[in-house]
Amino acid sequence: AQKVTQAQTEISVVEKEDVTLDCVYETRDTTYYLFWYKQPPSGELVFLIRRNSFDEQNEISGRYSWNFQKSTSSFNFTITASQVVDSAVYFCALSEAQGGSEKLVFGKGTKLTVNP
Amino acid sequence: GAGVSQSPSNKVTEKGKDVELRCDPISGHTALYWYRQSLGQGLEFLIYFQGNSAPDKSGLPSDRFSAERTGGSVSTLTIQRTQQEDSAVYLCASSRQYGGYGYTFGSGTRLTVV
Repeated sequence: AQKVTQAQTEISVVEKEDVTLDCVYETRDTTYYLFWYKQPPSGELVFLIRRNSFDEQNEISGRYSWNFQKSTSSFNFTITASQVVDSAVYFCALSEAQGGSEKLVFGKGTKLTVNP
Repeated sequence: GAGVSQSPSNKVTEKGKDVELRCDPISGHTALYWYRQSLGQGLEFLIYFQGNSAPDKSGLPSDRFSAERTGGSVSTLTIQRTQQEDSAVYLCASSRQYGGYGYTFGSGTRLTVV
């Protein structure tokens, strides 16, 4: 069965610090997708990134970067020079690429608090 | 519309009553998903629609839960004889096509069963 583990329940940093959110996944499939979503206090889930299992290149988008390592089944997310607006719960998720459904299995989330 | 719209945003109901939650996906999005977010269970998949059909209902927790989608657009999630453990935020999401672009989630309906 698929599983996503976000071992860090809560992280607190001071503004401008770098922070890495860990995500470890389990799947028996060779083709799958990994996602990160942000849930700010307003509650809406915001899509950040989607990565397929055949693309291990790291991705950078502004202050955000993602490190995908199949060898360790990890898909970690780093925020560089964190800002107060980054405070949110971040979810890592996994889906299989079968059957037409991209249903997601989510981790429990990591609550990030960035203090001024 | 511009985003996924869910109504009502909040619903308080008495135990044993039926409730209907509505989702209006982004225009042109053929795939629609329902999820539930609760403190104890995190985010859980409920059901997936492709057009009007639901090829994956594996996440519905009991036969008290049902959903339909009409016209390839609006979807309704119905919970019959609500129980306190049904209290959660029910999230709807849509996407343009399979394997494409990730989901766009709505803001959810917060259901409280008293």
